[in-house]
Amino acid sequence: GAVVSQHPSWVICKSGTSVKIECRSLDFQATTMFWYRQFPKQSLMLMATSNEGSKATYEQGVEKDKFLINHASLTLSTLTVTSAHPEDSSFYICSAAAGGPGETQYFGPGTRLLVL
Amino acid sequence: AQTVTQSQPEMSVQEAETVTLSCTYDTSESDYYLFWYKQPPSRQMILVIRQEAYKQQNATENRFSVNFQKAAKSFSLKISDSQLGDAAMYFCASHYGGATNKLIFGTGTLLAVQP
Repeated sequence: GAVVSQHPSWVICKSGTSVKIECRSLDFQATTMFWYRQFPKQSLMLMATSNEGSKATYEQGVEKDKFLINHASLTLSTLTVTSAHPEDSSFYICSAAAGGPGETQYFGPGTRLLVL
Repeated sequence: AQTVTQSQPEMSVQEAETVTLSCTYDTSESDYYLFWYKQPPSRQMILVIRQEAYKQQNATENRFSVNFQKAAKSFSLKISDSQLGDAAMYFCASHYGGATNKLIFGTGTLLAVQP
């Protein structure tokens, strides 16, 4: 149980285009989903927290107009990187948690984004 | 501010031996949760073990166990009978506390397993 999928697993796009990444909890309802960014050989950096039906909460320094997050249902959250630039190239990981504070986050397999 | 510190950037262990990865954290919360996650080369984050701070008993999951010292704010991970498949980056994480599931991660320890 507790499987989280992410699609696509990798994407290459041209500078200036937008890219959408989907995160789905397959066998449980996720009250909260998280989006992280990870640079090579570094830890995970939390970008934002999203709760179903409400606006995402962004971490300090993360541009909410650039990284649009939608959490339309208890099993789906999307991250859209708008007007992507080469510096947005990174590994993006989502996670999902059910229940109250302290519940385990289950992670998706990640999406590798390369902006040319 | 809450912090999680992993002081060992890299560790190495012989197959079948035991290794301990260190983690210390700082929090002002009285009720919180601690986690160890494993990230193999595939980069899929996998939960290894979860500890509830109000429980004195150390969590165990098969060959993985923790030494949770609440007063010292220490949360080390012990891997017994190490296997080649244990080679990965290991991240310690602390729950932010309060009405949130947010985690703060340490910088990670890269574990190599020698055959």
